[in-house]
Amino acid sequence: DGGITQSPKYLFRKEGQNVTLSCEQNLNHDAMYWYRQDPGQGLRLIYYSQIVNDFQKGDIAEGYSVSREKKESFPLTVTSAQKNPTAFYLCASRISGGRSGSPLHFGNGTRLTVT
Amino acid sequence: KQEVTQIPAALSVPEGENLVLNCSFTDSAIYNLQWFRQDPGKGLTSLLLIQSSQREQTSGRLNASLDKSSGRSTLYIAASQPGDSATYLCAVSGGNDMRFGAGTRLTVKP
Repeated sequence: DGGITQSPKYLFRKEGQNVTLSCEQNLNHDAMYWYRQDPGQGLRLIYYSQIVNDFQKGDIAEGYSVSREKKESFPLTVTSAQKNPTAFYLCASRISGGRSGSPLHFGNGTRLTVT
Repeated sequence: KQEVTQIPAALSVPEGENLVLNCSFTDSAIYNLQWFRQDPGKGLTSLLLIQSSQREQTSGRLNASLDKSSGRSTLYIAASQPGDSATYLCAVSGGNDMRFGAGTRLTVKP
């Protein structure tokens, strides 16, 4: 079955450590996205990529980094520079970005706790 | 910058009731609007997608409408069931990304 896989489901880290969240899709989608969700708030865009080897900052990119070396994979690194990293992180994809009417599909998320 | 608002933030209804969830957005230049369901601790599941040229979409007991000119969308749930209890989010696509509302937390009581 096609879908988006995020791993791990839960992640615990000490303050000051970098951590990488995995996102893999087998939907053959060009565009991939990382969102952050905090309690009582809507999803906020961290980074997005419309094609391999290209990505753009979203609204809250500070303290995060990404890579898009393969179409299927879009890992997110939460660096020690991110001031408040504890949150639920969601990866999404769609057939194409830009002026596209295609629907967005989501993975099941990774809950990151930093102490 | 596009802003998306969902009212109410929470809603509790008895089983069997018909209900309407509201979504409003500030910029009418959108390509589509999508409604999602989110269960606790889970990702988002797509319910309905309305293209900017459409007025409504239906799937089973769900009906979503879109009025671009007024910046509004509604999600109508008929004959609600306890299994419908979840958070419902709307999102609008204006280009490279999608903007989300904070969601409406729905509880359907048996």
